[in-house]
Amino acid sequence: DSGVTQTPKHLITATGQRVTLRCSPRSGDLSVYWYQQSLDQGLQFLIQYYNGEERAKGNILERFSAQQFPDLHSELNLSSLELGDSALYFCASSVGDSGRAGQFFGPGTRLTVL
Amino acid sequence: GENVEQHPSTLSVQEGDSAVIKCTYSDSASNYFPWYKQELGKGPQLIIDIRSNVGEKKDQRIAVTLNKTAKHFSLHITETQPEDSAVYFCASPGGGADGLTFGKGTHLIIQP
Repeated sequence: DSGVTQTPKHLITATGQRVTLRCSPRSGDLSVYWYQQSLDQGLQFLIQYYNGEERAKGNILERFSAQQFPDLHSELNLSSLELGDSALYFCASSVGDSGRAGQFFGPGTRLTVL
Repeated sequence: GENVEQHPSTLSVQEGDSAVIKCTYSDSASNYFPWYKQELGKGPQLIIDIRSNVGEKKDQRIAVTLNKTAKHFSLHITETQPEDSAVYFCASPGGGADGLTFGKGTHLIIQP
């Protein structure tokens, strides 16, 4: 158990809908990262937040957005969902603003878009 | 951006033998190289990492080696056990931001 929690575990929705995924980092960690894992694209970095501020963006679509709240939990919002958005979404956390001290992953949210 | 290649995609070894997984990276400014183990239905678990100021790091049966000149790093697992069966990923953040670029993964199968 990494100490990172994610809810919900599973989410089934329809095309065109909007969903919110939630992540709580390990106690004391200030950075949160979001990753998407799919069979064709593998594990891809989406976005990083550090202490409430956006720090870095990866391959995140414009339909997706994230935020980190004062209590350091983070939410990933996915809108206008398409079939291709079906994937596992992972959140990871690290101590400082650098992910080079170790990023620790949560159990993930499995999103199915029908 | 960073590009990480990982080989092989599948590796089958006899229990007790050693396993080696290799990765190459493209960004010469990269200085951090973690390895993750992912079991079915779980998130990736950080098992070992190495920074560019060292060439090798060991943790019990697991070791990672780094060759910065050739831009490749490898994971070595000795005395393999059934619980080592999983998918292993190498990663690198590149020289810029800290989001990790992952290899495609190696499915390690330990044969009894």
